[in-house]
Formats: sequence, C-alpha cells, structure tokens
Amino acid sequence: GAGVSQTPSNKVTEKGKYVELRCDPISGHTALYWYRQSLGQGPEFLIYFQGTGAADDSGLPNDRFFAVRPEGSVSTLKIQRTERGDSAVYLCASSLMQSGSSGANVLTFGAGSRLTVL
Amino acid sequence: GQQVMQIPQYQHVQEGEDFTTYCNSSTTLSNIQWYKQRPGGHPVFLIQLVKSGEVKKQKRLTFQFGEAKKNSSLHITATQTTDVGTYFCAEYPGTASKLTFGTGTRLQVTL
Repeated sequence: GAGVSQTPSNKVTEKGKYVELRCDPISGHTALYWYRQSLGQGPEFLIYFQGTGAADDSGLPNDRFFAVRPEGSVSTLKIQRTERGDSAVYLCASSLMQSGSSGANVLTFGAGSRLTVL
Repeated sequence: GQQVMQIPQYQHVQEGEDFTTYCNSSTTLSNIQWYKQRPGGHPVFLIQLVKSGEVKKQKRLTFQFGEAKKNSSLHITATQTTDVGTYFCAEYPGTASKLTFGTGTRLQVTL
C-alpha cells in the first residue's frame, strides 16, 4: 500500500486479556519496527524485523510480548495477560534498509494502535 | 543503555519568533535523525546527519551535528503555526538497526 497501515486504530480491553495488533508495511520494505509511545514520551523501541526474522527483540519488556512476521510482510504484535501499564500507542514503522547497507534509514510510521487496558 | 536527552521539554513561542531544540548524548553518536510528530499524529522523518560538524538546511529549518558527535540541534527561523508539534532526535547506529529516540521537545506556536 501507499503507507504503513495499522489495525485496530483503537483497542480497549480488560486486564488479563490477550491482544493482537497488526501492521501492514509499505510494499517492498524489508525492515519492520515496533515501538511503544506513552503520553508525553518518545517512542520506545520494542522489536525490529529484517525479513521474517527478528533481528533485535531487546526492547520487548517481558515474555508477555511477542511479535511475528511469518511471510516477511505483515507483522502481528501479541500481548498476553495485558496489564494496565501496557496502555500506550503502539507504533509500527517500515523501511527499505537492508542489513549491511549504509545511508539514511528512513522509517515511515503508521498511525498507531492505541491500546487501553482497563 | 544509550540515552539521548533533549532540551527544552516544552517551548511556547509567538509566531515569527525563532526556536531551537537541543539533543545531547553522553556518548558519541553514529548518526542522528530528526522527526516531527504533529499533535495526534505519528513521527515523520525530517533529516539524517552523519558527519561531524554537519549542517543541513530545509527552508526555515537548520540542523547541526556537533563536532564531537555528542550533540545536535534543530533551529527553526520565524516559526509558523504549522510548526506546532513535538520534535524528536533519534540515534541511528547504522547498518539497518534500531533507532533510539530522544525525549522530545514540544513546540507550541501562537499568533
């Protein structure tokens, strides 16, 4: 598509429930990133995919968080046993940059999925 | 881990005044990127700086990378209401890796 698409745009859930957030990157972009942004804060890195594999998952806060990108395109961020502290906007971004390349790695962000855990 | 601090956290200016935000790191930065996030929007890439002492301009925006590559600044000349938003710097280590965002500076511009 023309841009990075994220669904749902808004998700309200109860504490303890399971949530899936979807990201459809720009066609042809090999790199895909998940960030989390709380109100008044900068985006916080969660995980980065190069193709189908997670190249860096060091930002995932704990084992309740998991992300997949099985065919190297669409990615799903999965959160188990949600907690109130998980409430934030989850941002997905994609870029053309491939491993080993130099130059500007321009991230194009989606509009985000706002998660509210009650 | 790497922390990139920005100052000020917030600035309110009258339209036509200048604005500067500073990005500081305790360690050397490989590359620095700048993003703008409008209220309710998502971050949008502005520029990447790579070389020590580099200066780049985009119309009324001037971006600088410090000589020691430990700081960067974004200066807006004669602000307009369309400049409203939060400006983030982000460290990019290079070779397709994660960006580490700064704390951001929120700019408010009034007539």
